[in-house]
Amino acid sequence: DVKVTQSSRYLVKRTGEKVFLECVQDMDHENMFWYRQDPGLGLRLIYFSYDVKMKEKGDIPEGYSVSREKKERFSLILESASTNQTSMYLCASSLFGVADTQYFGPGTRLTVL
Amino acid sequence: GNSVTQMEGPVTLSEEAFLTINCTYTATGYPSLFWYVQYPGEGLQLLLKATKADDKGSNKGFEATYRKETTSFHLEKGSVQVSDSAVYFCALSDDQAGTALIFGKGTTLSVSS
Repeated sequence: DVKVTQSSRYLVKRTGEKVFLECVQDMDHENMFWYRQDPGLGLRLIYFSYDVKMKEKGDIPEGYSVSREKKERFSLILESASTNQTSMYLCASSLFGVADTQYFGPGTRLTVL
Repeated sequence: GNSVTQMEGPVTLSEEAFLTINCTYTATGYPSLFWYVQYPGEGLQLLLKATKADDKGSNKGFEATYRKETTSFHLEKGSVQVSDSAVYFCALSDDQAGTALIFGKGTTLSVSS
């Protein structure tokens, strides 16, 4: 079974803090994704990566950056957290291309105070 | 561009009732279609998929048929259980467009005993 793990289930940060959300997958998948999920808005793609050190902007990249130094790990960075970044963050991975079936982690619920 | 529209919830049913969650799509190419399920407090899990017209995906008693003529992929189950209470997401992928999965906004299902 594919396993996608995220570093925290719940996180509380203060406005202006730098926040790191970590995601690790154990199935040698090429592609990794970061989404945020908000009530009434569904899932919105922030960034994705199709190879180590490669990244592409999704639909809502503003205020976020990402890092992929190793194939199995994809980090989402909030350079200066703001209250409107309070959300559920979901990481996913896929094997055969960015349009292939995605496998999701359990999510990190981030609250920015 | 590509898009997915699914019926708004919440959908509230009694145990053993018949379930339909509507999903229609717009795509320029030949997409694959997916249903994902998100149980409370968890990430998304793939429920079923179909990769070409007239394919039927099925899993755990759920079914959906890829209808190209009506651009639909409605989710059905003959007899729902309390444990089916979750949020259901319809999604499409378009290999030719080279984009990541596009998700609908999700439909919340609540089943009572």
